[in-house]
Amino acid sequence: NAGVMQNPRHLVRRRGQEARLRCSPMKGHSHVYWYRQLPEEGLKFMVYLQKENIIDESGMPKERFSAEFPKEGPSILRIQQVVRGDSAAYFCASSQGQGTTFFGQGTRLTVV
Amino acid sequence: KNEVEQSPQNLTAQEGEFITINCSYSVGISALHWLQQHPGGGIVSLFMLSSGKKKHGRLIATINIQEKHSSLHITASHPRDSAVYICAVVTGANSKLTFGKGITLSVRP
Repeated sequence: NAGVMQNPRHLVRRRGQEARLRCSPMKGHSHVYWYRQLPEEGLKFMVYLQKENIIDESGMPKERFSAEFPKEGPSILRIQQVVRGDSAAYFCASSQGQGTTFFGQGTRLTVV
Repeated sequence: KNEVEQSPQNLTAQEGEFITINCSYSVGISALHWLQQHPGGGIVSLFMLSSGKKKHGRLIATINIQEKHSSLHITASHPRDSAVYICAVVTGANSKLTFGKGITLSVRP
């Protein structure tokens, strides 16, 4: 069991480009969460997904951000037209529901 | 006021010392996590607990649901324990996490 896999680990984008962050949950986990850690700030909830469904996106910015968790393949967090303020570490976590949550290594996005 | 407060804000200790990190929360929770993050690194869940006490190696975590308070203790601290320790509570039907700001622990040899 390889754990929660995120890629890429580091991503550099120019302002206006798109960023795609991928997360493969632990085997057997159907619940995926995305969290963002801004520099010098704590982690904040963004979105909660189950297979093919967005359950709670109350933490997602209203524009430019979207997330999906298709029937096959990893969960994707997509940021369109990135700005410098999007620079952060993005963590994915997975669980079976009520059990322990496991985190990935994170994707560190730098917007230049 | 944040829903999850941690204290102290930063902590420096000498190798071998007993360390306590505290977490208080103001919301109803179903469970609480203690997480560890090394600089530039990923996040590791040390404990998830909803009552009582858990122990793993040199780490002990306790929670008092009535007082809405949890503590993480590190016995015989070591420089490799230097990291950020984050308290996170599980709230709501969706089991999403709400985080404290984290405590930066530095253990000197």
